[in-house]
Amino acid sequence: QQPVQSPQAVILREGEDAVINCSSSKALYSVHWYRQKHGEAPVFLMILLKGGEQKGHDKISASFNEKKQQSSLYLTASQLSYSGTYFCGTEPQGAQKLVFGQGTRLTINP
Amino acid sequence: GAVVSQHPSWVICKSGTSVKIECRSLDFQATTMFWYRQFPKQSLMLMATSNEGSKATYEQGVEKDKFLINHASLTLSTLTVTSAHPEDSSFYICSAPRRISGLTDTQYFGPGTRLTVL
Repeated sequence: QQPVQSPQAVILREGEDAVINCSSSKALYSVHWYRQKHGEAPVFLMILLKGGEQKGHDKISASFNEKKQQSSLYLTASQLSYSGTYFCGTEPQGAQKLVFGQGTRLTINP
Repeated sequence: GAVVSQHPSWVICKSGTSVKIECRSLDFQATTMFWYRQFPKQSLMLMATSNEGSKATYEQGVEKDKFLINHASLTLSTLTVTSAHPEDSSFYICSAPRRISGLTDTQYFGPGTRLTVL
């Protein structure tokens, strides 16, 4: 079952914040976040393994609500380099495979 | 540097021919690798899970006789698109999870292979 991402697209000005949500209908073992630039392979951002876990790197952070089977990606003070399509990948419990959401296209304008 | 490589980066072939794509983990052993297909402006769709030493596990709707997967070693998986047709044209991406103590630490993606079938 493909996780559902929202919103489908976001347009920001440089320096603004964004939140991308990912929810699954299945109990999850982990949630992964990736960013993909046009014509390139996805680049790993972070993985969240435990319910209630939060992680961050530079100005990008994420949280994992295991009970709600949801994860959110937070981008603060966005930079032009943050533009791209963000995918969450969910690993259902016991499945050992990643299923990707439909993606969220993020556009950062100067 | 890249930890998962794919070869070739792109391939153009005639309809009816077979194409082999290689996926290698460079810095770690991967007992499992995944093959995805991505059409323009769409998400990555999991095609199959490649298992070292056993048969691949295919997702529903993916023809196992058309997309042959061989996990030859702990660092190499190959995807062969047999009797390729124009509708098989796509971006094929492999990934390999790096596991520490049995838990997925990071999932590395290869750079992808763009297949164009004429």
